Amino acid sequence: AAGVIQSPRHLIKEKRETATLKCYPIPRHDTVYWYQQGPGQDPQFLISFYEKMQSDKGSIPDRFSAQQFSDYHSELNMSSLELGDSALYFCASSKTGESYEQYFGPGTRLTVT
Amino acid sequence: ELKVEQNPLFLSMQEGKNYTIYCNYSTTSDRLYWYRQDPGKSLESLFVLLSNGAVKQEGRLMASLDTKARLSTLHITAAVHDLSATYFCAADTGTASKLTFGTGTRLQVTL
Repeated sequence: AAGVIQSPRHLIKEKRETATLKCYPIPRHDTVYWYQQGPGQDPQFLISFYEKMQSDKGSIPDRFSAQQFSDYHSELNMSSLELGDSALYFCASSKTGESYEQYFGPGTRLTVT
Repeated sequence: ELKVEQNPLFLSMQEGKNYTIYCNYSTTSDRLYWYRQDPGKSLESLFVLLSNGAVKQEGRLMASLDTKARLSTLHITAAVHDLSATYFCAADTGTASKLTFGTGTRLQVTL
């Protein structure tokens, strides 16, 4: 079965640079979520989209923005990167009305130096 | 605001013995989830518990939900080394809503 795809899997950036993370949800899933997991921490919700509209927002810095495109893939844009942004970034997707589960992608490991 | 707490944070288990992880949540939640995470890897869904009294079992793992006590437990029977990982519980408050995770329990199974 198709799973959530994230790219790139690893990303190294310097402070103050920008990064773009991409997420391709499971086909026919209508909701995409982004989570950030720092070292040794639990995943923290950043933002979600339902049918291409932002549906919820968590502790996402103003330096970050995200959108969902017409083909349902989503991108998380991160600017003015800081050392503290180094983390695993997960995308998850779900299908409203079909299952309650969120299916997680493999994650993008972002390292800011 | 929904808060989820897990204990213990770390569990050193001997092979063959039984253990339990506890997950408490602060407000009414529609669903309770258990995930497994190996170091540096993604979150693998283990169980979704939808209603009071729900019990699900897969191999040596069994999860249950008591919505009145706002408590879920993950019971490990006869631990084996393959179960070494970090286990998270998570809760949400509605369809297509964000997950709030517990702090995680790191399980280490020793011979």
